[in-house]
Amino acid sequence: GDSVTQMEGPVTLSEEAFLTINCTYTATGYPSLFWYVQYPGEGLQLLLKATKADDKGSNKGFEATYRKETTSFHLEKGSVQVSDSAVYFCALSVSGNNRLAFGKGNQVVVIP
Amino acid sequence: NAGVTQTPKFQVLKTGQSMTLQCAQDMNHEYMSWYRQDPGMGLRLIHYSVGAGITDQGEVPNGYNVSRSTTEDFPLRLLSAAPSQTSVYFCASSLLWGLSGANVLTFGAGSRLTVL
Repeated sequence: GDSVTQMEGPVTLSEEAFLTINCTYTATGYPSLFWYVQYPGEGLQLLLKATKADDKGSNKGFEATYRKETTSFHLEKGSVQVSDSAVYFCALSVSGNNRLAFGKGNQVVVIP
Repeated sequence: NAGVTQTPKFQVLKTGQSMTLQCAQDMNHEYMSWYRQDPGMGLRLIHYSVGAGITDQGEVPNGYNVSRSTTEDFPLRLLSAAPSQTSVYFCASSLLWGLSGANVLTFGAGSRLTVL
């Protein structure tokens, strides 16, 4: 079935460091790909999305490129801030499926 | 502009008790869904609905019931709570898949349930 795999474990880094969170997917059709972010005590909210191969989603300094050849959608930010501390979820949906499959999430902690 | 409203925010139950988690949205979204979030498991889909009178099972439906009598409301019922249902529950809604702007879920703030 359709699924998303995120890198294991929390990510701890210093302010202004470069952030990468890996996401790979398995899908039977042509999925749309998403990154959602969950700030402490809140529900998830959309960070960015891409709907076809080679699309780049971007928002708040975060970027991710839909790579069909490597079935990946890695999230990157060039210079993180303390306010970026949150849990980040990669997700996919396949047209007509009515379901969004989430990865397990990555806790990101940015230290001043 | 309330978005997705979930109640209660916190609930403690004893094993075998029943309860309903409420979810309401004011965005006229056809699609509504319930997820549970557990440490190390991410979000798992419990049930979803594509419109009033239509519901379907997700990945982990056992022990939960849903109904969709109106477009706005999508309650989640636990008929006989078990400790394994201790979790944080999120309701989410969107336009139907395939329409412009669809697939982007709007989430509620969550309901934290503890079953003793």
